[in-house]
Amino acid sequence: DAGVTQSPTHLIKTRGQQVTLRCSPKSGHDTVSWYQQALGQGPQFIFQYYEEEERQRGNFPDRFSGHQFPNYSSELNVNALLLGDSALYLCASSFPGPRETRDTGELFFGEGSRLTVL
Amino acid sequence: QKEVEQNSGPLSVPEGAIASLNCTYSDRGSQSFFWYRQYSGKSPELIMFIYSNGDKEDGRFTAQLNKASQYVSLLIRDSQPSDSATYLCAVNPPMNTGFQKLVFGTGTRLLVSP
Repeated sequence: DAGVTQSPTHLIKTRGQQVTLRCSPKSGHDTVSWYQQALGQGPQFIFQYYEEEERQRGNFPDRFSGHQFPNYSSELNVNALLLGDSALYLCASSFPGPRETRDTGELFFGEGSRLTVL
Repeated sequence: QKEVEQNSGPLSVPEGAIASLNCTYSDRGSQSFFWYRQYSGKSPELIMFIYSNGDKEDGRFTAQLNKASQYVSLLIRDSQPSDSATYLCAVNPPMNTGFQKLVFGTGTRLLVSP
């Protein structure tokens, strides 16, 4: 059973460029969340997708956008890249279930996409 | 005040000792609490979650929750060099009931020496 897969694993961009990161959730999972982890920091919540809609959003500018496809995979797009966008971008999926299990916080993380902005 | 605070460490313990990792949170209404382990260059993996005041044990790991003090801890017994990693405390604030929007601390780096 494949876990959460992300691509690309590493990429280098220059300021002002745009980037698209991709994520395939763990089999059976329907919810995808994206987190940004800067060096030496904990992951910060960007947004969450469920049923192809953005359900929750963290404190990130509109330059950060996303999409979820019918097969539950997801993309994270970042426009007008800044140096400060350099980070590890983590995708996390979670399983469906009753409301109680949605509160367990049992997120399954992919290995991440490390973005360097020069 | 940060929502979730952890000492960044490093916390150094000898092999076989008990490692004690601590975390405080600011939102008194928070209901669910999590410990993730992150090896260098890898993604976080869930070790334990706890909802109720008191202790929860799983193998060598014990999570402790004190909601009155807004304090969560993780004890690792018989620490092994393979436990050397960054331990992230995460909280699901009350407004996020039904959603998994975790707020993470900055993590505590644990070093277990042979």
